[in-house]
Amino acid sequence: EVQLVQSGAEGKKSGDSLKISCKVSGYSFTNYWIAWVRQIPGKGLEWMGIIYPGDSDTRYSPSFQGQVTISADKSISTAYLQWSSLKASDTAMYYCARRDYGGNWYFDLWGRGTLVIVSS
Amino acid sequence: SYELTQPPSVSVSPGQTARITCSGDALPKQYAHWYQQKPGQAPILVIYKDTERPSGIPERFSGSRLGTTVTLTVSGVQAEDEADYYCQSTDFSGTYDVVFGGGTKLSVL
Repeated sequence: EVQLVQSGAEGKKSGDSLKISCKVSGYSFTNYWIAWVRQIPGKGLEWMGIIYPGDSDTRYSPSFQGQVTISADKSISTAYLQWSSLKASDTAMYYCARRDYGGNWYFDLWGRGTLVIVSS
Repeated sequence: SYELTQPPSVSVSPGQTARITCSGDALPKQYAHWYQQKPGQAPILVIYKDTERPSGIPERFSGSRLGTTVTLTVSGVQAEDEADYYCQSTDFSGTYDVVFGGGTKLSVL
């Protein structure tokens, strides 16, 4: 089955580090870009950045540049989103999503999301 | 930064037609795409490249474009269509940036 399986919910404190994951199955991990999207509770979708696992080419939204790090491990078909020092404002649901193979900028497959709760 | 503007809410009765608009200055130069998100669920793609419908999406979902505005139309709305809908496009004027509209809550009365 083609799917993106995200890691479980996290409860952290301000200042903690965190790395959440998105494991791909059912298709070639290295051939599709994987994006990360934030959704603060009750709010809309925000694009954070994207990685091409084939060569680890990574692009960040200007809003998230320097705030998070996106990476990928080809050996286990997994993409990651990480923080070095969490803030309460990072509390949100985080989705990974697959970009269209044809090079268009839309996302045709989404993970179920990872809820991150950061207490101050 | 580039913005896409959607109405916060649209309400229709079952069987009627719902139209959700999305406006943005760069839309004439970039494709728009639409996602449906039901409470507690991840978004799903319902329209891509302005007018294309992914396999498995009902035919009652369609997309159109006129100048700086794109529209998602849901014909013969059903109760199961009640959800938040987001348009999405891109801004490559300076950096790579994917932009989502603020979302529209479709209520089926």
